[in-house]
Parts: sequence; structure tokens; C-alpha cells
Amino acid sequence: KAGVTQTPRYLIKTRGQQVTLSCSPISGHRSVSWYQQTPGQGLQFLFEYFSETQRNKGNFPGRFSGRQFSNSRSEMNVSTLELGDSALYLCASSLGPGQGSSEQYFGPGTRLTVT
Amino acid sequence: AQSVTQLGSHVSVSEGALVLLRCNYSSSVPPYLFWYVQYPNQGLQLLLKYTTGATLVKGINGFEAEFKKSETSFHLTKPSAHMSDAAEYFCAVSELSGNTPLVFGKGTRLSVIA
Repeated sequence: KAGVTQTPRYLIKTRGQQVTLSCSPISGHRSVSWYQQTPGQGLQFLFEYFSETQRNKGNFPGRFSGRQFSNSRSEMNVSTLELGDSALYLCASSLGPGQGSSEQYFGPGTRLTVT
Repeated sequence: AQSVTQLGSHVSVSEGALVLLRCNYSSSVPPYLFWYVQYPNQGLQLLLKYTTGATLVKGINGFEAEFKKSETSFHLTKPSAHMSDAAEYFCAVSELSGNTPLVFGKGTRLSVIA
């Protein structure tokens, strides 16, 4: 079974631009979560989607948004990029609430650099 | 609110020595607990998890962890370190039968010396 895939793997953007990251979950998984990883703040939860609905949201500004499609694929968008948005963005998929296993499986991440 | 504390941001052991990575958690309800490993330029890989039942949990690559409710701990151990174990290790907690987002510790970088 294919794992979680994230595209692109690396991205360089300029301050003020916007960016869209994509995540394809493991086949059969309906929940997708996004995390930001930085050296200073560690791993922080951004949001979770299940059945195209945002189920949980972390403490990030409104510049960070996401969505999920009917095939469970998810995208996250960051508008008006700031230098501090430079990070590794990780996507994780799981079966979903009440679906059995609570394990989250992570993709390789997208490394975003804002200059 | 949940929180996770990993004692020691960097641990160094000799090859063949015991690995002990410490994790303490705070949770108002029975937690689900996880250990993940991250190799350079990669995502996180699940090593093991505790949900309910047996408090000693065995994972991949010879790792195991013991859930101690009285100490609110979930320390990760491996009897004999291998060079390939060098990586960053993250402890995480989730509440409500795993239906809340993972809260991670800051991570512990494990170095293995030949």
C-alpha cells in the first residue's frame, strides 16, 4: 500500500507570496492532519480534516487554511508569507474518528523556505 | 490541556549500550501515547503506541516503552543501540481515544558512538 505523499518536497517563496501544499493520504484513510515543524517551536498542529470538514484547528493565524476533497486528498494554503513561515510542513493520514486505529502515518514533508 | 516533556534534547550512547529516552506527559483523561522517529530529511515513522491494556508496549526495531500512570511517564528503551538508531525521537500524546490532535514533545536527538 502506498504511503502518504506530499508535493512538492521543496519550495522557495518570497515574502508576501502565497503557497499551496498538497497531501495524498494512504488509500482508505479519510482523515488528514497538518503539522508545522520548526527548530524553535517543534511540531505544532495546524488543522485536521475528515470527510471534507475541518474537525480540529490549531493556534495559527487565518493566513493558514486548508481543505479536503472528496477523494480525501488535502491541500493547505499559506497566504502573505512571512519569514517565520519557513518550516517543514508534515501531513499525516489516519482512518478517522471512530474508524478504529488512531495511528497517524506521516508523509515526508514539504520544506518551505521563505526569503 | 495535554503536554509532553522530553528530558534531554540530546542523548549520546555507545553502540551496544542501553538506550533510554524519557517522556513525561500531562493529560486530564486517559491518554493515548506514541513514540515516533524522524531520520534526516524524512517524515515521522511510528515506533510504537499505547492505547489501553498491557502497559509494556513493544515496537519496531527492538524498541519498547512502558506506560506508568503513577509517574505519568512513557519512557522509550532499547537494550542495545545500533548505529542506525541515530535519529530524532518524538513522544506524543492524544486524548479522547486518539480522536484529538497529537501533541508532541520537543524531541530528543539520539547519537550513537562507535
